[in-house]
Amino acid sequence: DVKVTQSSRYLVKRTGEKVFLECVQDMDHENMFWYRQDPGLGLRLIYFSYDVKMKEKGDIPEGYSVSREKKERFSLILESASTNQTSMYLCASSLEWRGTEAFFGQGTRLTVV
Amino acid sequence: AQSVTQLGSHVSVSEGALVLLRCNYSSSVPPYLFWYVQYPNQGLQLLLKYTSAATLVKGINGFEAEFKKSETSFHLTKPSAHMSDAAEYFCAASLGDSGAGSYQLTFGKGTKLSVIP
Repeated sequence: DVKVTQSSRYLVKRTGEKVFLECVQDMDHENMFWYRQDPGLGLRLIYFSYDVKMKEKGDIPEGYSVSREKKERFSLILESASTNQTSMYLCASSLEWRGTEAFFGQGTRLTVV
Repeated sequence: AQSVTQLGSHVSVSEGALVLLRCNYSSSVPPYLFWYVQYPNQGLQLLLKYTSAATLVKGINGFEAEFKKSETSFHLTKPSAHMSDAAEYFCAASLGDSGAGSYQLTFGKGTKLSVIP
């Protein structure tokens, strides 16, 4: 089974802190994604990566950056956390093929105080 | 613009009743379509997917969905609801048509299903 593992289930950080969310997948998938999920808004794509060191902005990249130094690992960085970044963050991975599904991690619920 | 629309943010059904969750898409190219389920404080789990092999797709937990090109729809159904079906359901589509990195999924806003005993 494909496994996508997010490093933390729950995080509480202070405003202005630099925050790292880590995601690892074990199926050699080319694509990796970061979404945030908010009530009534569904899933919104923050960034995605289709290869090592490659990244593309999604729909809401402001206030975030990403890093993909190895194929299996995709990190989301909040450069200076703000309260409006309190959310559920979901990492996903998929093969580089249009008909393939994405596999999701368990999510990280981040609270910025 | 290419998009996925789920009609109804909340749906309530009685246990044993038919479940119908609606999804429509807008795309200029033939889409690949997916339904996911999310239980509280969990990630998303794939229920089923349509990749043009058959218009009626069967998934896990007794769910199925039918692709109707003329209606640009991919509605999710289950003949008899169970209490364990209470969750949030997301319709998603792969709408990109070319280029590396164009294969991300576009999601609907989700429908929360409640099952009444």
